Amino acid sequence: GAVVSQHPSWVICKSGTSVKIECRSLDFQATTMFWYRQFPKQSLMLMATSNEGSKATYEQGVEKDKFLINHASLTLSTLTVTSAHPEDSSFYICSAVGNQETQYFGPGTRLLVL
Amino acid sequence: AQSVTQLGSHVSVSEGALVLLRCNYSSSVPPYLFWYVQYPNQGLQLLLKYTTGATLVKGINGFEAEFKKSETSFHLTKPSAHMSDAAEYFCAVSDYGQAGTALIFGKGTTLSVSS
Repeated sequence: GAVVSQHPSWVICKSGTSVKIECRSLDFQATTMFWYRQFPKQSLMLMATSNEGSKATYEQGVEKDKFLINHASLTLSTLTVTSAHPEDSSFYICSAVGNQETQYFGPGTRLLVL
Repeated sequence: AQSVTQLGSHVSVSEGALVLLRCNYSSSVPPYLFWYVQYPNQGLQLLLKYTTGATLVKGINGFEAEFKKSETSFHLTKPSAHMSDAAEYFCAVSDYGQAGTALIFGKGTTLSVSS
């Protein structure tokens, strides 16, 4: 149990296009999901907190108009990178809060912007 | 504000040897502490967590960690390393000192295991 999926696992796009990443909790409901970003050989940095039915809360320095987050249901949160540029290339990981307040992480999405 | 420091970005051990990965934290509230493992190009898997209660926490794959408030530490150990333990390990503290809130991660420690 407590599985979180992400789709796609890999995406390559051209500069200026938008990319949507989905995060799903497969066997539990999550009112709260988190989006993290990880650069190569570095740690995870929190980007935003996604709450079902309300606006996401963004960390300082994260552009909310560039990284659009929608948490439309208790099992799905989406992150859309708008007008992507090469510097947005990264590994994006989501997590969902499940039973006993434990966070379960998705497998990550690697984004490469050319 | 909470923070996590992992001492040693890279630890190398021989198969069968003791594994010790160090983690120190800073928190203004009682911390909830976690260890996660990450294999290449994958997400994070929870090894163990400390919230309240017993300070020695046992996790999966033979790992355990001890919460020492006086030392503000939460070091991860395993008595005998296996080749499959080679991975990246992250120590984390929960923001606001509550489980279920966003995590603040250390920079990670790469564990290498040689035969």
